Amino acid sequence: GNSVTQMEGPVTLSEEAFLTINCTYTATGYPSLFWYVQYPGEGLQLLLKATKADDKGSNKGFEATYRKETTSFHLEKGSVQVSDSAVYFCALSEETSYDKVIFGPGTSLSVIP
Amino acid sequence: GAVVSQHPSWVICKSGTSVKIECRSLDFQATTMFWYRQFPKQSLMLMATSNEGSKATYEQGVEKDKFLINHASLTLSTLTVTSAHPEDSSFYICSAKAGPNTEAFFGQGTRLTVV
Repeated sequence: GNSVTQMEGPVTLSEEAFLTINCTYTATGYPSLFWYVQYPGEGLQLLLKATKADDKGSNKGFEATYRKETTSFHLEKGSVQVSDSAVYFCALSEETSYDKVIFGPGTSLSVIP
Repeated sequence: GAVVSQHPSWVICKSGTSVKIECRSLDFQATTMFWYRQFPKQSLMLMATSNEGSKATYEQGVEKDKFLINHASLTLSTLTVTSAHPEDSSFYICSAKAGPNTEAFFGQGTRLTVV
């Protein structure tokens, strides 16, 4: 079945450090890939997405490139801020009649001043 | 983006009672809605998928008689936790899609505590 794997956290970085959160997936067909962010006590927000191979999603300084050859969608940011502290979920959605979103386990990020 | 609203945002109930959680798409018609459950510090686990006007499709291991899902209109789906027990305490999140190959929008979640 479809699945998403993420690097285990928690990840702790100093402000302005470079961030990489690894994500790999297993899927049949051609999934769309997403990164969602969940701030403490809140619901999910879509951070970025990519719908086909070699697409790059970007938002708020975060980027991720859809790599079909390595089945990966790693999240990167060049300079993190304290306000980026949250849990980040990699996810995929297959093009089925229901298009349900399957989530990875999540990676907790803490950015310290 | 589109707005999905859940109500209530938190609820405390006594063991043995039933609790209903509403999920509404405020500015679009949602042909499909999904219900997820999230335990503390864990990921979202899909519970069921519901299409307007038809029975929900439950994921393996989810008790359909325990978690009743109704998708009565294109803007409203409800999840009823029947005869709730402390182990049902969790964060429940819904999402809604306007159709195939469209973005899923998530509600803000409902924190259920059963005492």
